[in-house]
Amino acid sequence: QKEVEQDPGPLSVPEGAIVSLNCTYSNSAFQYFMWYRQYSRKGPELLMYTYSSGNKEDGRFTAQVDKSSKYISLFIRDSQPSDSATYLCAMNPRAAGNKLTFGGGTRVLVKP
Amino acid sequence: NAGVMQNPRHLVRRRGQEARLRCSPMKGHSHVYWYRQLPEEGLKFMVYLQKENIIDESGMPKERFSAEFPKEGPSILRIQQVVRGDSAAYFCASSPGTGSYNEQFFGPGTRLTVL
Repeated sequence: QKEVEQDPGPLSVPEGAIVSLNCTYSNSAFQYFMWYRQYSRKGPELLMYTYSSGNKEDGRFTAQVDKSSKYISLFIRDSQPSDSATYLCAMNPRAAGNKLTFGGGTRVLVKP
Repeated sequence: NAGVMQNPRHLVRRRGQEARLRCSPMKGHSHVYWYRQLPEEGLKFMVYLQKENIIDESGMPKERFSAEFPKEGPSILRIQQVVRGDSAAYFCASSPGTGSYNEQFFGPGTRLTVL
């Protein structure tokens, strides 16, 4: 079993819809949770990070962490075709100087 | 402020040759991480370095792979005697190494193809 599980998709939604992404994990030591966006043949770009449990909102993006269920989510409101990309969740046990453990990524396609 | 730079962007090697991948971190960043991404998979951690020190190499294959981050110059990921299974995208990330949270900024990657 992988440490971090993520549905590979693809997830296809119409423009303007809410995109819902999630990851589950098995290592209870993870405390920092991140979502990266990766366009085809580009490097990952950090979208959101959250420490421990709770919600965090930034513009059209909302990240949720439920440590009791070992489950994290990312919601994208009012999706745009430019949101079409692969979304990777990542996590690590401490803030500085530690490796990130990534999920396999979910490919999202927002259709105009 | 230039981002993380990696070169070459594409590298083709024949089996048995050596591959050298370079990473220049963002200005002011002293921590470098290397990750490998196989087709249709997420990124897998390989090694974490600070200047002149390897901090964590738990993700590095035991043979043929090595990494360095010298006092001057870029970080180098070296793969000796490449095999077809080494074909992948290799990403470098850097972080400042201070503060309560260290975002890792990723470079554009080097895509290695082994013929």
